[in-house]
Amino acid sequence: EAGVAQSPRYKIIEKRQSVAFWCNPISGHATLYWYQQILGQGPKLLIQFQNNGVVDDSQLPKDRFSAERLKGVDSTLKIQPAKLEDSAVYLCASSLIRGAGSYEQYFGPGTRLTVT
Amino acid sequence: GNSVTQMEGPVTLSEEAFLTINCTYTATGYPSLFWYVQYPGEGLQLLLKATKADDKGSNKGFEATYRKETTSFHLEKGSVQVSDSAVYFCALSDLRTGNQFYFGTGTSLTVIP
Repeated sequence: EAGVAQSPRYKIIEKRQSVAFWCNPISGHATLYWYQQILGQGPKLLIQFQNNGVVDDSQLPKDRFSAERLKGVDSTLKIQPAKLEDSAVYLCASSLIRGAGSYEQYFGPGTRLTVT
Repeated sequence: GNSVTQMEGPVTLSEEAFLTINCTYTATGYPSLFWYVQYPGEGLQLLLKATKADDKGSNKGFEATYRKETTSFHLEKGSVQVSDSAVYFCALSDLRTGNQFYFGTGTSLTVIP
């Protein structure tokens, strides 16, 4: 089975520019997550989708970050305008939720963003 | 609220040494617990999990037991290899918040020959 795909793998931009990341989850996974992982820290949830609806975006800096998941499959995360502190790895993950079980999340390779 | 606390690294061990990475958690409900591993330049991979108290998760020689009485999920391996060098993350998930994951800060392990 194919894993979670992300692109690009690396991106370097100047502050105040915009950038977009793409994620394709594992087929059939209803839930999709975007995380920000700053160097030396654990992943921090930015936004969680269930199908194409937002479940939790409480930690998404909405003045500059936006995300969408059209048709409940692929998702894009956008930053506009970028700040130096946005330099991080952006991870996409997906999971299958069924019944009362708690299912592990499967992670993509991440996009390493450097803002100069 | 929910949170995970891991022992700080980095940890450096010789090959074949015994490994313990401590993890404790705080949860308002009955979470599932996970250990993820991140190799350099890669995303996180599930290493093992436990979904209820006293469950033991195991994989690739690693083990962790869900201890509700001590709110712990310590990772252990009897004999580490150079290939185990990576960053290890403890995490919990809470179905009451839609399977949201809470990660620890990660522990870097380096195994030297």
